[in-house]
Amino acid sequence: DGGITQSPKYLFRKEGQNVTLSCEQNLNHDAMYWYRQDPGQGLRLIYYSQIVNDFQKGDIAEGYSVSREKKESFPLTVTSAQKNPTAFYLCASKLTMTGEQYFGPGTRLTVT
Amino acid sequence: AQSVTQLGSHVSVSEGALVLLRCNYSSSVPPYLFWYVQYPNQGLQLLLKYTTGATLVKGINGFEAEFKKSETSFHLTKPSAHMSDAAEYFCAVTANQAGTALIFGKGTTLSVSS
Repeated sequence: DGGITQSPKYLFRKEGQNVTLSCEQNLNHDAMYWYRQDPGQGLRLIYYSQIVNDFQKGDIAEGYSVSREKKESFPLTVTSAQKNPTAFYLCASKLTMTGEQYFGPGTRLTVT
Repeated sequence: AQSVTQLGSHVSVSEGALVLLRCNYSSSVPPYLFWYVQYPNQGLQLLLKYTTGATLVKGINGFEAEFKKSETSFHLTKPSAHMSDAAEYFCAVTANQAGTALIFGKGTTLSVSS
């Protein structure tokens, strides 16, 4: 089955630690995206990548980093510089410039 | 610049009643519009989309939406609500331009009572 996988589903970390969220897709999509979701805030764009080895900051990139070494993979690192990292993180991919985005199941990160 | 406003963060209906979720957009270029649904602790699933052509768009699970350029609206409707429709719904807009991402509204939570 084609789709987007995110792992793990739930992640717990101590404050001050970096953590990396995984996102893999086998849809052969060129573009991939990371969003953060908080209650009542909708989805806010963190980073996106239109092509391998290239990515752009979204609206709330501070405290986050990404890499795009392979077409299938777009990991997100939440660094200790992110002041409020506890949230639900969603990864998405898109095939064409005008097509819809397909979403993974999400990772819920809790930092204490 | 583009933006989306979803009117009403919570909508409650009875089972069998009409569902109407409102979405207004702002876009300086012809928009592409989408409705997504999200169930608790899950990702988003596409309900329907408008790109070009027919302004009344039919989606999955009996939902439909009409693109009204003069009103800059893309409201989501379903004639008869079902208990399984209870979820959060997001309207989103993008432009037919390279390097653009989806802009989402803040979401509307739909509750369905028996």
